[in-house]
Amino acid sequence: EAGVAQSPRYKIIEKRQSVAFWCNPISGHATLYWYQQILGQGPKLLIQFQNNGVVDDSQLPKDRFSAERLKGVDSTLKIQPAKLEDSAVYLCASSLSSGSYEQFFGPGTRLTVL
Amino acid sequence: AQKVTQAQTEISVVEKEDVTLDCVYETRDTTYYLFWYKQPPSGELVFLIRRNSFDEQNEISGRYSWNFQKSTSSFNFTITASQVVDSAVYFCALNPNSGNTPLVFGKGTRLSVIA
Repeated sequence: EAGVAQSPRYKIIEKRQSVAFWCNPISGHATLYWYQQILGQGPKLLIQFQNNGVVDDSQLPKDRFSAERLKGVDSTLKIQPAKLEDSAVYLCASSLSSGSYEQFFGPGTRLTVL
Repeated sequence: AQKVTQAQTEISVVEKEDVTLDCVYETRDTTYYLFWYKQPPSGELVFLIRRNSFDEQNEISGRYSWNFQKSTSSFNFTITASQVVDSAVYFCALNPNSGNTPLVFGKGTRLSVIA
């Protein structure tokens, strides 16, 4: 079974530039999550989708971050404009459904903002 | 409020030693799930175990074992006869069974196993 795919794996940009990350979840998984993991910390949920709809985006900085999940499969996360404090690893995860199901994580995208 | 505390930031052991990673959680929910994930240097979080709050039986899987104690709100993880490949950051996480609440992670414990 193919795992969660993410691209790119690494990205370096300058502050005020924009960047986009892509995620392809495990086939058949209805729920998709984007996490931000700052160095030395555990992942923090940014946004959760159930199929096409947003379930939780309470911790997404909506003035600069946006995410979409078209057709309930792939998802993109965008930052515009980026700040220095956005430097982190962005992890995508998927699960069969929301709630207590185990989440399967992709390899992440390491973003460095200079 | 939901919270997970992993007090050990870093642990270093010599190969073949046993090591226990501590996890203490806080929640007001009576039904919840606890998880352990492993994050090797490659960065991908690997699911290790899920436990629901009604099942306090300890679990063993090969060299891994988990001790869940509701009375102390702890869900500790022991690796027996550690190996270099066990070197990683280990995260404990809590998922309250309140519908769509997010997974709450601890800050992780970095384990280094030295040959």
